Amino acid sequence: GENVEQHPSTLSVQEGDSAVIKCTYSDSASNYFPWYKQELGKGPQLIIDIRSNVGEKKDQRIAVTLNKTAKHFSLHITETQPEDSAVYFCAASIPGGFQKLVFGTGTRLLVSP
Amino acid sequence: EAQVTQNPRYLITVTGKKLTVTCSQNMNHEYMSWYRQDPGLGLRQIYYSMNVEVTDKGDVPEGYKVSRKEKRNFPLILESPSPNQTSLYFCASTPIRTLENLGGANVLTFGAGSRLTVL
Repeated sequence: GENVEQHPSTLSVQEGDSAVIKCTYSDSASNYFPWYKQELGKGPQLIIDIRSNVGEKKDQRIAVTLNKTAKHFSLHITETQPEDSAVYFCAASIPGGFQKLVFGTGTRLLVSP
Repeated sequence: EAQVTQNPRYLITVTGKKLTVTCSQNMNHEYMSWYRQDPGLGLRQIYYSMNVEVTDKGDVPEGYKVSRKEKRNFPLILESPSPNQTSLYFCASTPIRTLENLGGANVLTFGAGSRLTVL
């Protein structure tokens, strides 16, 4: 079945720096790749997603890139701010069913002022 | 406000004492799901429901039960909790619409989580 690996598990950056979180997936038929942000004491919330017919998507300071050949996708956060500190989860869809997602193990991002 | 509401948010219980974690959504979503979050393991699906009276097992269903008698509610039942069910639980929902156009997946709306400790 689908397996999603996420790295790094912890990432510390200085405010204003860029942060990159990488995920790899195993099933080449996966076609939907969301990123969720989980702030302390809250549930995960979608911040950006990408479908397999697109190579890159941007939304202000965040962007996601997808390399279908290599089966990996990445989250890029530019000009990081302390409020970006959270746990980030990537996920990949399992083809053939509705809303079947396999989540990565999460990355704890800490942005220091 | 559109939201998924879970209760209780925190619970400490003992082995074998039945408990129910409630989940309710006010967005008229057909799909609801339960996940557990454990360190180093990410989010794993326990059970899901495509609509009223339709439920199915996720990846880690052992020790759990669910029911979907109403569209808005999807309670998670632990008949005989054990310490290995100590975890952070999330309920989530999403509408089922235009699956073909959306590639079979929608944005999930999560509840705030229920932290369960079984002693």
